[in-house]
Amino acid sequence: EVQLVESGGGLVQPGGSLRLSCAASRFIFSSYWMSWVRQAPGKGLEWVANIKQDGSEKYYADSVKGRFTISRDNAKNSVFLQMNSLRGEDSAVYFCVREFGGWADYWGQGTLVTVSS
Amino acid sequence: DIQMTQSPSSLSASVGDRVTITCRASQSIRSYLNWYQHKPGKAPKLLIYSASSLQSGVPSRFSGSGSGTDFTLTISSLQPEDFAPYYCQQSYSTPYTFGQGTKLEIK
Repeated sequence: EVQLVESGGGLVQPGGSLRLSCAASRFIFSSYWMSWVRQAPGKGLEWVANIKQDGSEKYYADSVKGRFTISRDNAKNSVFLQMNSLRGEDSAVYFCVREFGGWADYWGQGTLVTVSS
Repeated sequence: DIQMTQSPSSLSASVGDRVTITCRASQSIRSYLNWYQHKPGKAPKLLIYSASSLQSGVPSRFSGSGSGTDFTLTISSLQPEDFAPYYCQQSYSTPYTFGQGTKLEIK
């Protein structure tokens, strides 16, 4: 069974930075687009960013463009989300997602990011 | 960006009921529409992809239809484990936007 395990969440002050990691296993990581999706407390799902198999294409939600950077390391079967200039509205559970044909067929359990002073 | 609007925002129903949730896109997305179930504290689960294709392992009481701008998710006979929030998502163009969600509750 596909496994996606997120890490790196925590409490950070407004304006701070955080780097999320996602370790993937039990599938050929380099063959899939990967994404991050988040859910703020009491809110719905929000797509954040995705990255092509070789890292040559990356796309972002308008709400994070210019502040967040998605990257991947196919040798380590990992995808990352570097989050800078964090704001209160970035507080959320962040899910690592495998994409297949544009849909999210496997999700991690999520990692909680809290932006607060 | 493509806006996705789900209705209703919440729905009360009983075990055994047939329920339908609708999702409307702000422009044509052909059949690039997916449905997810998300129980609190768990990872979201893919139910339907490409508007009407049932994800492997998902019970056949779930079905999807539609194309262009209007889509539906139907649960033919509600089971106790089906009470949860549901989300549609378009994968026609990035950003891959979600609907605001429909909370399915027990009557």
